[in-house]
Amino acid sequence: NAGVTQTPKFQVLKTGQSMTLQCAQDMNHEYMSWYRQDPGMGLRLIHYSVGAGITDQGEVPNGYNVSRSTTEDFPLRLLSAAPSQTSVYFCASSPREALNYGYTFGSGTRLTVV
Amino acid sequence: SQQGEEDPQALSIQEGENATMNCSYKTSINNLQWYRQNSGRGLVHLILIRSNEREKHSGRLRVTLDTSKKSSSLLITASRAADTASYFCATDFTGANSKLTFGKGITLSVRP
Repeated sequence: NAGVTQTPKFQVLKTGQSMTLQCAQDMNHEYMSWYRQDPGMGLRLIHYSVGAGITDQGEVPNGYNVSRSTTEDFPLRLLSAAPSQTSVYFCASSPREALNYGYTFGSGTRLTVV
Repeated sequence: SQQGEEDPQALSIQEGENATMNCSYKTSINNLQWYRQNSGRGLVHLILIRSNEREKHSGRLRVTLDTSKKSSSLLITASRAADTASYFCATDFTGANSKLTFGKGITLSVRP
């Protein structure tokens, strides 16, 4: 089925480890974003991309890197995991002309850093 | 922060009643969107209203937008137990169509 696929669904990391959260969409959407969701904080934008080769920082980018080498994929890299990065991470995508469309979200990755 | 703020934070109603949720924001927007999140799941887009629109309907949903007050309301009519979820408003600020800013959400409980 078409949509946004995130892997893994669950992950436990030790402090200082690095890892990549994968996000792929098969809808040919130009816009892709990464959010983190923490209790009482809503969703906060980490990084976003308006197309292949173009990325920019959101509200809470520190400790995370992204790249967008293809339209389909938008991986999020944690450079050196910290307990403060324990969260649920959501990837989302949208067509450029989003006048009548919202974002399509993946099902999330629940990350625990110990 | 530019995020929208939803009100109330939590709402509990009886099945069949209407649920009204509000969202306020601070700066000019391109559009405002509402999303639903069921427990443990991703967000699902419900409805989008553009800055030049005042009201929009989709099934049992009605959204209004008052740009002079920088506020929006989401009305769910004839609520069902399946409407139990968290609801978020998200704003697309002028010149930032690629960046949605979310509020903290409203928890809606619909009692059978």
